[in-house]
Order: sequence, then structure tokens, then C-alpha cells
Amino acid sequence: DTEVTQTPKHLVMGMTNKKSLKCEQHMGHRAMYWYKQKAKKPPELMFVYSYEKLSINESVPSRFSPECPNSSLLNLHLHALQPEDSALYLCASSQNTGLNTGELFFGEGSRLTVL
Amino acid sequence: GENVEQHPSTLSVQEGDSAVIKCTYSDSASNYFPWYKQELGKGPQLIIDIRSNVGEKKDQRIAVTLNKTAKHFSLHITETQPEDSAVYFCAAIKSTGGYNKLIFGAGTRLAVHP
Repeated sequence: DTEVTQTPKHLVMGMTNKKSLKCEQHMGHRAMYWYKQKAKKPPELMFVYSYEKLSINESVPSRFSPECPNSSLLNLHLHALQPEDSALYLCASSQNTGLNTGELFFGEGSRLTVL
Repeated sequence: GENVEQHPSTLSVQEGDSAVIKCTYSDSASNYFPWYKQELGKGPQLIIDIRSNVGEKKDQRIAVTLNKTAKHFSLHITETQPEDSAVYFCAAIKSTGGYNKLIFGAGTRLAVHP
């Protein structure tokens, strides 16, 4: 069982909706990540939080807005999305952003469909 | 910057056979190489990793080898079973702006036929 929990597992939204994806981990990890994965493609990094501060934004459009309320929680707020934003959104965590000091744990993902 | 190439894109084997997936990387400074298995409808799960100070690592039926000179690393699965069927991703670390991030290969879809 994954120790990174994501909700909801599935989300369908219209282009004018506002929704949020949620992620939680209780492993004491201080780095948390959002990845986007399209079908038959590898995960693509979107955001990295380190010690609750945004460290990396991979030039993600502003219609995706991340938030890290505390060291265990990570949210991704969605607004005015486009159909091409439909994908599997994966949350991940690691001890820190060094990565070479420990593994990256992924959640099961939230499958988003934008109509 | 780091680039990771992975081959083959699909691999079909009979149960009990071995499977080998190969990756090459471009940044000689990369020092950590994990392999992830992604089953249908699930997130990627780390199955084995290797650091640049070792040449080989084994965990039961899976092993990874690393050739730093040639900048390539491989995943070996022996005595394959149907439950090994999944997409496998290799990755390498890229350092950027003081942070490390994983660069993934394109993935290999492994099918193990009973």
C-alpha cells in the first residue's frame, strides 16, 4: 500500500469549474511534488515543495495553483482548465530534495478529465 | 542538461524467460538511478535503485547494472511471472538551481505471457 494518499481518485470537471486535488503523507518527508502523466508517457514534473516552500515551478500555466498548508499536505488548485489538461496527476514525496539520499514515493494518482 | 533514453519501448516474453531493459544518460554528474514499475491504474513504485559508487545491485529476481564509463544502466528480471507485466521507467538525477530532480526515460511496456 502506498503511503502517499491522493484524493479524489477520479475527477471530471468543466472548463469553468474550480476544483482541488489533495495529497497527504505521514512519513515525515520534507519534500513534496506534483507530476502530470499523460497516457503512455513518463511522469512530468510540475512543482516541488521543500520545507513547505515552493522550490521549483516547471513553467506550469497559472491555471494550476499549488499549495502546501503544512509538511504533510499538498494541494493542487485547478481553475479554467483546458481539455488537454486531462491526465493522471501524481503526488510524490521524499525525505528531502536531494533525492540521492532516499527514494521518491508516489501516490496512486488522481485521474482528471476536463470536458 | 540530462537526457535519458530507454529501450525497448515494448517487450514481450514468455513466463520464466528473462527480460532486459536498457537506459542511457547524458550527464556524467548523475549519481542516482532508480527504476520504477507502474501497474495499470496505479502510481509508479520504486523497485530497485543504484548509486554511482556500485556497478551492480540485486534484489531477488531483479538486478540493475551500471556502467559509468559508457553512461548506461540496465534492469534485469529473471524467471519472469505474469505479475511482472507493467510499464517500467528508468530515471537519472539532474541537478538544477541547487535542487535535484528525476529525469525519466520514456518507459518500457513489459508483457509476460503465461
